[in-house]
Amino acid sequence: EVQLVESGGGLVQPGGSLRLSCTASGFSFNTYSMKWVRQAPGKGLEWVSYISSASETFYYADSVKGRFTISRDNAKNSLYLQMNSLRDEDTAVYYCATDGRASTFDYWGQGTLVTVSS
Amino acid sequence: SYVLTQTPSVSVAPGKTARIPCGGDNIGRKSVHWYQQKPGQAPVLVIYSDSDRPSGIPERFSGSNSGNTATLTISRVEAGDEADYYCQVWDSSSDHYVFGTGTKVTVL
Repeated sequence: EVQLVESGGGLVQPGGSLRLSCTASGFSFNTYSMKWVRQAPGKGLEWVSYISSASETFYYADSVKGRFTISRDNAKNSLYLQMNSLRDEDTAVYYCATDGRASTFDYWGQGTLVTVSS
Repeated sequence: SYVLTQTPSVSVAPGKTARIPCGGDNIGRKSVHWYQQKPGQAPVLVIYSDSDRPSGIPERFSGSNSGNTATLTISRVEAGDEADYYCQVWDSSSDHYVFGTGTKVTVL
């Protein structure tokens, strides 16, 4: 069974940093590209970032480019999102998801809440 | 950047058919995927590549895509179908994944 478990969320002040983790199990993590998606309270889904299986290709949403960095450790079956210069508008539940063959988001974690507030 | 527009809400009686549109410029040339999200839960893929269903998704869910509109159709609607639905595409011109604005389906 595919499992994705996010962690690392919490309360942080504007301008601060946070590192999210996503631990994967139940599939060959090192063969899958991965993505982060976020959802602000009461709002819709927003794609954040993408990383290929061997960390060769990276994509970022315009809203986070230059502030967020996606990375992975295939030996640890883990995906990360380093978030710097956080803003109020980064407040959201952050989900990690597997990338499907058709550019879909096939499997999702349960999400971790990031709150940016003074 | 590419924009996907969805009707904010759709109401449907049990047993009837719900049609959820997703508008985008020449969206018919793209591959469209659909997600169902119930309150407090992560999204679930219900339709991929315009009209294919992942394993475990009921046949009541179907999709189509042509011109400037893609449509998710839910036949014989059940109370358990009440959820938010999002369309999604890959925009190769910007290397961005794009989600629609979302449609809340209410079962009367």
